[in-house]
Amino acid sequence: ETGVTQSPTHLIKTRGQQVTLRCSSQSGHNTVSWYQQALGQGPQFIFQYYREEENGRGNFPPRFSGLQFPNYSSELNVNALELDDSALYLCASSFGRDEQFFGPGTRLTVL
Amino acid sequence: GEDVEQSLFLSVREGDSSVINCTYTDSSSTYLYWYKQEPGAGLQLLTYIFSNMDMKQDQRLTVLLNKKDKHLSLRIADTQTGDSAIYFCAKGGGADGLTFGKGTHLIIQP
Repeated sequence: ETGVTQSPTHLIKTRGQQVTLRCSSQSGHNTVSWYQQALGQGPQFIFQYYREEENGRGNFPPRFSGLQFPNYSSELNVNALELDDSALYLCASSFGRDEQFFGPGTRLTVL
Repeated sequence: GEDVEQSLFLSVREGDSSVINCTYTDSSSTYLYWYKQEPGAGLQLLTYIFSNMDMKQDQRLTVLLNKKDKHLSLRIADTQTGDSAIYFCAKGGGADGLTFGKGTHLIIQP
């Protein structure tokens, strides 16, 4: 059974640029959630996708958007990057409301 | 205040038991989770409990829930150097996502 994978591992961007992060869910899971973890903090919920639709969102602006594909993999897109967007971005997959399993994360640095 | 609160640091001797504590504010029925994060890594799910349970045991891990005080604890028996990590308490799930505490750094003394 393959776990949750994320790409890329690390990414460096400059302010104002756009970035796309990718996540492959664990086999058998149909739901993907994205979290932002700033240094020294707990993860903060960005949004969740179920059956290719966004079905829940945390307190993040619209420049954070996403997609889920028919194979349940997902993308997180961030437009107009700001310095405060520098963080570890974590993807978690689950079967519906069941427990969430996390990937290793993508470390984004915005200069 | 924060929805989920944890102490930032806990130091224990190798071989002793570690008890990591968490308090939360929302009293609605929900799942409560413990995750472990090692340096530079993602989160590993350790265990979880539903809010109508009092206790759950899984090998070296024991979760205790005091619903009246909204207090959750994770006990790690016979703590080893490999247990050194940040431990996160989280609640919720589903479309509202998980709400995490800031994490407790567990430091193991030889």
